[in-house]
Amino acid sequence: DQQVKQNSPSLSVQEGRISILNCDYTNSMFDYFLWYKKYPAEGPTFLISISSIKDKNEDGRFTVFLNKSAKHLSLHIVPSQPGDSAVYFCAARVFGNEKLTFGTGTRLTIIP
Amino acid sequence: NAGVTQTPKFQVLKTGQSMTLQCAQDMNHNSMYWYRQDPGMGLRLIYYSASEGTTDKGEVPNGYNVSRLNKREFSLRLESAAPSQTSVYFCASRDSTAVNYGYTFGSGTRLTVV
Repeated sequence: DQQVKQNSPSLSVQEGRISILNCDYTNSMFDYFLWYKKYPAEGPTFLISISSIKDKNEDGRFTVFLNKSAKHLSLHIVPSQPGDSAVYFCAARVFGNEKLTFGTGTRLTIIP
Repeated sequence: NAGVTQTPKFQVLKTGQSMTLQCAQDMNHNSMYWYRQDPGMGLRLIYYSASEGTTDKGEVPNGYNVSRLNKREFSLRLESAAPSQTSVYFCASRDSTAVNYGYTFGSGTRLTVV
Protein backbone atom coordinates (compact mmCIF):
# COMPACT_ATOMS: atom_id res chain seq x y z
CA ASP A 1 0.00 0.00 0.00
CA GLN A 2 1.82 3.05 -1.31
CA GLN A 3 0.68 5.94 0.90
CA VAL A 4 2.89 8.49 -0.85
CA LYS A 5 2.89 8.35 -4.62
CA GLN A 6 5.02 10.03 -7.23
CA ASN A 7 3.39 9.00 -10.47
CA SER A 8 5.98 10.49 -12.81
CA PRO A 9 9.20 8.44 -12.76
CA SER A 10 10.99 11.05 -14.86
CA LEU A 11 10.71 14.64 -16.06
CA SER A 12 12.80 16.68 -18.50
CA VAL A 13 12.81 20.48 -18.42
CA GLN A 14 14.73 23.10 -20.32
CA GLU A 15 17.22 25.17 -18.37
CA GLY A 16 15.67 28.41 -17.15
CA ARG A 17 12.12 27.08 -17.24
CA ILE A 18 9.96 25.99 -14.32
CA SER A 19 10.16 22.40 -13.05
CA ILE A 20 7.05 21.05 -11.32
CA LEU A 21 7.27 17.78 -9.43
CA ASN A 22 4.10 16.23 -8.07
CA CYS A 23 3.27 13.99 -5.14
CA ASP A 24 -0.04 12.50 -3.97
CA TYR A 25 -0.81 10.93 -0.63
CA THR A 26 -3.62 8.84 0.77
CA ASN A 27 -3.15 9.02 4.56
CA SER A 28 -5.12 11.95 5.98
CA MET A 29 -3.11 11.68 9.22
CA PHE A 30 0.02 13.05 7.56
CA ASP A 31 0.76 16.46 9.05
CA TYR A 32 4.20 17.30 7.70
CA PHE A 33 5.68 16.92 4.24
CA LEU A 34 9.24 17.11 2.95
CA TRP A 35 11.16 17.03 -0.30
CA TYR A 36 14.58 15.43 -0.64
CA LYS A 37 17.02 15.61 -3.52
CA LYS A 38 19.38 12.77 -4.37
CA TYR A 39 22.42 12.69 -6.63
CA PRO A 40 23.88 9.35 -7.82
CA ALA A 41 26.07 7.59 -5.25
CA GLU A 42 25.07 10.06 -2.54
CA GLY A 43 22.49 10.05 0.21
CA PRO A 44 19.32 12.13 -0.09
CA THR A 45 19.61 15.71 1.12
CA PHE A 46 16.79 17.66 2.69
CA LEU A 47 15.43 20.38 0.42
CA ILE A 48 12.27 21.96 1.78
CA SER A 49 9.31 21.09 4.00
CA ILE A 50 5.78 22.23 4.76
CA SER A 51 3.42 21.80 7.65
CA SER A 52 -0.19 20.83 7.03
CA ILE A 53 -1.32 24.14 8.54
CA LYS A 54 0.22 25.98 5.58
CA ASP A 55 -0.44 25.81 1.87
CA LYS A 56 2.84 27.25 0.62
CA ASN A 57 6.45 27.45 1.69
CA GLU A 58 9.20 29.18 -0.24
CA ASP A 59 12.99 28.94 -0.05
CA GLY A 60 14.86 30.71 -2.80
CA ARG A 61 14.15 29.00 -6.13
CA PHE A 62 12.15 26.24 -4.42
CA THR A 63 8.47 26.47 -3.48
CA VAL A 64 6.31 23.70 -2.11
CA PHE A 65 2.53 23.88 -2.43
CA LEU A 66 0.12 21.77 -0.39
CA ASN A 67 -3.49 21.11 -1.36
CA LYS A 68 -4.97 19.19 1.57
CA SER A 69 -8.40 18.70 0.05
CA ALA A 70 -6.82 17.00 -2.97
CA LYS A 71 -4.11 15.31 -0.86
CA HIS A 72 -1.56 16.68 -3.28
CA LEU A 73 1.71 18.53 -2.99
CA SER A 74 4.03 19.90 -5.58
CA LEU A 75 7.56 21.25 -5.72
CA HIS A 76 8.28 24.16 -8.07
CA ILE A 77 11.82 25.02 -9.09
CA VAL A 78 12.23 28.39 -10.81
CA PRO A 79 14.40 28.89 -12.76
CA SER A 80 15.68 25.37 -13.33
CA GLN A 81 19.44 24.94 -13.45
CA PRO A 82 21.64 22.04 -14.63
CA GLY A 83 22.63 21.30 -11.03
CA ASP A 84 18.98 20.55 -10.27
CA SER A 85 19.24 17.31 -12.28
CA ALA A 86 18.69 14.64 -9.62
CA VAL A 87 16.09 12.29 -8.20
CA TYR A 88 13.50 14.02 -6.00
CA PHE A 89 11.64 12.20 -3.24
CA CYS A 90 8.65 13.48 -1.39
CA ALA A 91 8.08 12.22 2.14
CA ALA A 92 5.40 12.56 4.79
CA ARG A 93 5.01 12.12 8.52
CA VAL A 94 2.15 11.35 10.88
CA PHE A 95 2.25 13.63 13.92
CA GLY A 96 4.12 12.01 16.81
CA ASN A 97 5.48 9.22 14.63
CA GLU A 98 9.24 8.91 14.12
CA LYS A 99 8.83 7.38 10.70
CA LEU A 100 8.93 9.20 7.37
CA THR A 101 7.09 7.57 4.48
CA PHE A 102 8.78 8.19 1.14
CA GLY A 103 7.50 8.22 -2.41
CA THR A 104 9.25 6.31 -5.18
CA GLY A 105 11.04 9.35 -6.59
CA THR A 106 11.04 11.40 -9.80
CA ARG A 107 14.20 11.75 -11.87
CA LEU A 108 14.50 15.37 -13.04
CA THR A 109 16.76 16.13 -15.99
CA ILE A 110 17.51 19.75 -16.86
CA ILE A 111 18.36 20.19 -20.53
CA PRO A 112 20.95 22.92 -21.20
CA ASN B 1 32.92 17.67 7.93
CA ALA B 2 30.03 16.97 10.26
CA GLY B 3 27.58 14.38 9.07
CA VAL B 4 26.65 10.72 8.89
CA THR B 5 29.35 8.20 8.01
CA GLN B 6 28.52 4.72 6.72
CA THR B 7 30.90 1.82 6.23
CA PRO B 8 31.46 -0.06 4.04
CA LYS B 9 30.39 1.69 0.83
CA PHE B 10 30.16 -1.55 -1.16
CA GLN B 11 29.84 -5.19 -0.14
CA VAL B 12 29.20 -8.49 -1.86
CA LEU B 13 27.98 -11.36 0.29
CA LYS B 14 27.15 -14.96 -0.39
CA THR B 15 23.74 -16.24 0.63
CA GLY B 16 23.82 -17.20 4.29
CA GLN B 17 26.76 -15.01 5.26
CA SER B 18 26.41 -12.39 7.95
CA MET B 19 27.63 -8.84 8.16
CA THR B 20 27.19 -5.59 10.05
CA LEU B 21 26.71 -2.22 8.44
CA GLN B 22 28.17 0.58 10.52
CA CYS B 23 26.80 4.09 10.93
CA ALA B 24 28.09 6.99 13.01
CA GLN B 25 26.98 10.62 13.29
CA ASP B 26 28.81 13.50 14.91
CA MET B 27 25.94 16.01 15.11
CA ASN B 28 24.74 14.96 18.58
CA HIS B 29 21.41 13.87 17.11
CA ASN B 30 19.07 11.80 19.24
CA SER B 31 17.27 9.87 16.51
CA MET B 32 18.85 7.48 14.01
CA TYR B 33 17.36 5.39 11.21
CA TRP B 34 18.13 2.65 8.73
CA TYR B 35 16.41 2.72 5.34
CA ARG B 36 16.76 0.59 2.26
CA GLN B 37 16.24 1.83 -1.28
CA ASP B 38 15.10 -0.49 -4.04
CA PRO B 39 14.16 0.38 -7.63
CA GLY B 40 10.53 1.50 -7.87
CA MET B 41 10.05 1.23 -4.09
CA GLY B 42 11.37 4.48 -2.69
CA LEU B 43 13.05 4.38 0.71
CA ARG B 44 11.60 1.99 3.26
CA LEU B 45 12.32 2.13 6.97
CA ILE B 46 13.97 -0.96 8.44
CA TYR B 47 14.60 0.08 12.06
CA TYR B 48 14.95 3.28 13.99
CA SER B 49 16.21 4.48 17.33
CA ALA B 50 14.52 7.50 18.90
CA SER B 51 17.19 7.80 21.56
CA GLU B 52 20.21 6.00 22.96
CA GLY B 53 19.14 2.64 24.37
CA THR B 54 15.91 2.32 22.37
CA THR B 55 15.17 0.69 19.03
CA ASP B 56 11.95 0.03 17.15
CA LYS B 57 10.89 -1.84 14.04
CA GLY B 58 10.03 0.02 10.88
CA GLU B 59 8.24 -1.13 7.77
CA VAL B 60 10.58 -3.96 6.67
CA PRO B 61 12.47 -5.32 9.73
CA ASN B 62 12.51 -9.04 8.89
CA GLY B 63 16.01 -10.45 8.47
CA TYR B 64 17.70 -7.54 10.26
CA ASN B 65 18.82 -6.61 13.75
CA VAL B 66 20.12 -3.31 15.06
CA SER B 67 22.20 -2.00 17.92
CA ARG B 68 22.32 1.57 19.21
CA LEU B 69 25.76 1.30 20.70
CA ASN B 70 25.83 4.86 22.02
CA LYS B 71 24.45 8.22 20.92
CA ARG B 72 26.77 8.36 17.91
CA GLU B 73 26.54 4.83 16.50
CA PHE B 74 23.71 2.73 15.09
CA SER B 75 24.59 -0.55 13.40
CA LEU B 76 22.51 -2.84 11.19
CA ARG B 77 23.19 -6.57 11.15
CA LEU B 78 22.21 -9.17 8.61
CA GLU B 79 22.48 -12.55 10.34
CA SER B 80 21.94 -14.75 7.27
CA ALA B 81 21.95 -12.74 4.07
CA ALA B 82 19.43 -13.49 1.32
CA PRO B 83 19.31 -12.27 -2.31
CA SER B 84 16.17 -10.26 -1.41
CA GLN B 85 18.40 -8.12 0.81
CA THR B 86 20.34 -6.85 -2.20
CA SER B 87 19.75 -3.13 -1.92
CA VAL B 88 21.25 0.25 -1.12
CA TYR B 89 21.16 0.93 2.60
CA PHE B 90 21.03 4.42 4.03
CA CYS B 91 21.58 5.48 7.59
CA ALA B 92 20.13 8.79 8.72
CA SER B 93 19.98 10.89 11.84
CA ARG B 94 17.76 13.72 13.04
CA ASP B 95 17.79 16.31 15.73
CA SER B 96 14.51 15.50 17.47
CA THR B 97 14.21 19.12 18.60
CA ALA B 98 14.51 20.57 15.08
CA VAL B 99 11.46 22.23 13.60
CA ASN B 100 11.85 21.10 10.00
CA TYR B 101 12.11 17.37 10.73
CA GLY B 102 14.81 16.98 8.08
CA TYR B 103 16.97 13.91 8.21
CA THR B 104 20.70 13.93 7.45
CA PHE B 105 21.58 10.87 5.40
CA GLY B 106 24.84 9.03 4.93
CA SER B 107 26.10 8.26 1.43
CA GLY B 108 24.84 4.68 1.51
CA THR B 109 26.09 1.09 1.42
CA ARG B 110 25.48 -0.84 -1.78
CA LEU B 111 25.00 -4.49 -0.81
CA THR B 112 24.78 -7.37 -3.25
CA VAL B 113 23.87 -10.86 -2.04
CA VAL B 114 24.65 -13.63 -4.52
